[in-house]
Amino acid sequence: DTGVSQNPRHKITKRGQNVTFRCDPISEHNRLYWYRQTLGQGPEFLTYFQNEAQLEKSRLLSDRFSAERPKGSFSTLEIQRTEQGDSAMYLCASSLPSGGTTDTQYFGPGTRLTVL
Amino acid sequence: AQKVTQAQTEISVVEKEDVTLDCVYETRDTTYYLFWYKQPPSGELVFLIRRNSFDEQNEISGRYSWNFQKSTSSFNFTITASQVVDSAVYFCALSESGYALNFGKGTSLLVTP
Repeated sequence: DTGVSQNPRHKITKRGQNVTFRCDPISEHNRLYWYRQTLGQGPEFLTYFQNEAQLEKSRLLSDRFSAERPKGSFSTLEIQRTEQGDSAMYLCASSLPSGGTTDTQYFGPGTRLTVL
Repeated sequence: AQKVTQAQTEISVVEKEDVTLDCVYETRDTTYYLFWYKQPPSGELVFLIRRNSFDEQNEISGRYSWNFQKSTSSFNFTITASQVVDSAVYFCALSESGYALNFGKGTSLLVTP
C-alpha cells in the first residue's frame, strides 16, 4: 500500500516568488489535510478537503495561500509572494472516513520550504 | 491557548530503561479524540494510537502502552525497555468537533546505547 507522497521534498526560493507543492494521498482516501510545522513546534492545521470540497480553513491560511483539490485526488498548496516567515515544513495527510467525526490521519514526508 | 501540553521538551534515557511521555489536554467537548504520533529524524509523522473520549481503557501494544485518565485530562505514553530506534520526537494531539488535529509541541526522546 503506497503512503502519502509529497513533491518536491525540498524547495528553496527567494522572497516574493510563488511556490506550489503537490500532495498525493493514499488511494481511496477521500479526506486530505494540510499542516505547517516550524522548527521545534508541532504541526499546525491549515486546511481540509473532503473529495474536492474545501470544508475547513485555519486562520493561519492567509490570502497568499491557496489550496485546491480539483478532482478529489491529488491536492496542491500554493503560496504567493513568499515571505521568510513562510519557511517551514508543509505536511499533507489523508484519511478514510471511519464513521465518526475524526479519522486517523496518515502523513506524508513533507515539503521543506526555505525562503531566502 | 495551547490545548495540548507536553511539558517535557527533551528526555534522555539509556537503552532498556522505561520512559513515560506526558500529555495533558484541555477541552470542553464531551466527544473528542486523542492521538500519539512519532516523528523520527527522517521527518515523517508515524501514527501510533487513536483513542476516543468514551474509551478509558489502557492499551498495550508490544513495548508501548498508553494511560488515558479523563479525571486528570491526561493521555500518557510509556515505552518499556527503550531501544535506540525509539529516538524521535513524539507528539500528542487532540481533535474536538472538527477535523483538525491540535498538536502539542512534542517531546524529543533520545535513547543512548
